[in-house]
Amino acid sequence: QVQLVESGGGLVKPGGSLRLSCAASGLTFSDFYMSWIRQAPGKGLEWVSYISPSGDYTTYADSVKGRFTISRDNAKNSLYLQMNSLRAEDTALYYCARGHLDLHYWGRGTLVTVSS
Amino acid sequence: EIVLTQSPDFQSVTPKEKVTITCRASQSIGSSLHWYQQKPDQSPKLLIKYASQSISGVPSRFSGSGSGTDFTLTINSLEAEDAATYYCHQSSSLPPYTFGQGTKLEIK
Repeated sequence: QVQLVESGGGLVKPGGSLRLSCAASGLTFSDFYMSWIRQAPGKGLEWVSYISPSGDYTTYADSVKGRFTISRDNAKNSLYLQMNSLRAEDTALYYCARGHLDLHYWGRGTLVTVSS
Repeated sequence: EIVLTQSPDFQSVTPKEKVTITCRASQSIGSSLHWYQQKPDQSPKLLIKYASQSISGVPSRFSGSGSGTDFTLTINSLEAEDAATYYCHQSSSLPPYTFGQGTKLEIK
């Protein structure tokens, strides 16, 4: 079965950086668009970014554009999110998901806390 | 940016009731509307894609309808396990692909 496992979250100071990873199994990873979605504590879902199967197309929410970079390594079945210049409002549970339109499979998320 | 507005924000219902949640888009999105269920401390789960297409493994009491700007998620004969927050999500044309604010369903 499809499994997506996020890692790399943690506590970081404002202005700091983190790199999130998502390890995929049970699917032909290189066939699929992949997305990152986040959820602030007690809040709703916010789409962050997605990447094409080959990695040659990426797009971002305005709230993270210029600060976050999505990438993938199809040989390692892994998705990444490099997050720079982090702000308090980036505090959230970050999910990776298969697809970019209908999001059929989701990981359990990794928590990012931005606080001094 | 396309804004999705769900109603109600919260609903308390009894088992076996029929529940209807609506999602209105700020502009026409065709049928590019999906529904997710998120139970406490769990990740979201896709229930319905493209407004009305069923998902394998999802109970048949969940159904969706609508097109353009107005969409509905219907849960027939509600069960206790359906207590969750439900989100609509649009993927029409270009990003950002926005979510509704969520509808929390409480089972009495």
